[in-house]
Amino acid sequence: SQQGEEDPQALSIQEGENATMNCSYKTSINNLQWYRQNSGRGLVHLILIRSNEREKHSGRLRVTLDTSKKSSSLLITASRAADTASYFCATDGVAAGNKLTFGGGTRVLVKP
Amino acid sequence: GAVVSQHPSRVICKSGTSVKIECRSLDFQATTMFWYRQFPKQSLMLMATSNEGSKATYEQGVEKDKFLINHASLTLSTLTVTSAHPEDSSFYICSAAAGGAGEKLFFGSGTQLSVL
Repeated sequence: SQQGEEDPQALSIQEGENATMNCSYKTSINNLQWYRQNSGRGLVHLILIRSNEREKHSGRLRVTLDTSKKSSSLLITASRAADTASYFCATDGVAAGNKLTFGGGTRVLVKP
Repeated sequence: GAVVSQHPSRVICKSGTSVKIECRSLDFQATTMFWYRQFPKQSLMLMATSNEGSKATYEQGVEKDKFLINHASLTLSTLTVTSAHPEDSSFYICSAAAGGAGEKLFFGSGTQLSVL
């Protein structure tokens, strides 16, 4: 079964707005990662945040991690039409044998 | 960044035939590669972990005789779908880790398999 569950499943926003999506997981993790997937393509790594980190930034991306709540959020600021994609969180934990387990994903549509 | 090449990107085959998908790490050595299956609008489901020079480790419920994995070198892993049937139609993606366990993965561009 999937470790992570993402919320919302789908998100539609206007260009320039911020997009926020959340990921919750069930067991202790070492790292949490966010990936992006364009339709019919492979995944591209966005950010890795370790269990002892609380926030990380990369360009227009901001990721937070709350291990007490077993949740993470990905914020995309000033969204662009090119940000339209599916976004997945992936967790790595001892319970999963240190393999990455992917959440269900959030499909983001940014309208120009 | 590291590049993983996967091909073919799309294959259509008749029921009963076998299809081979290749996954290559182009600029790094990958002792471990992963194979996933993805249905439309769903997440990635790990099928197996491919280890260079040894047998692949399959996830529960994945038929190892159906999905043959070979990792003959540090830069190449192959997935062969044997005697394919329409229910095997799916998007298959490989990935490789340039670092240790739990580090970021580099993904191939995926293979859309359609079995008629």
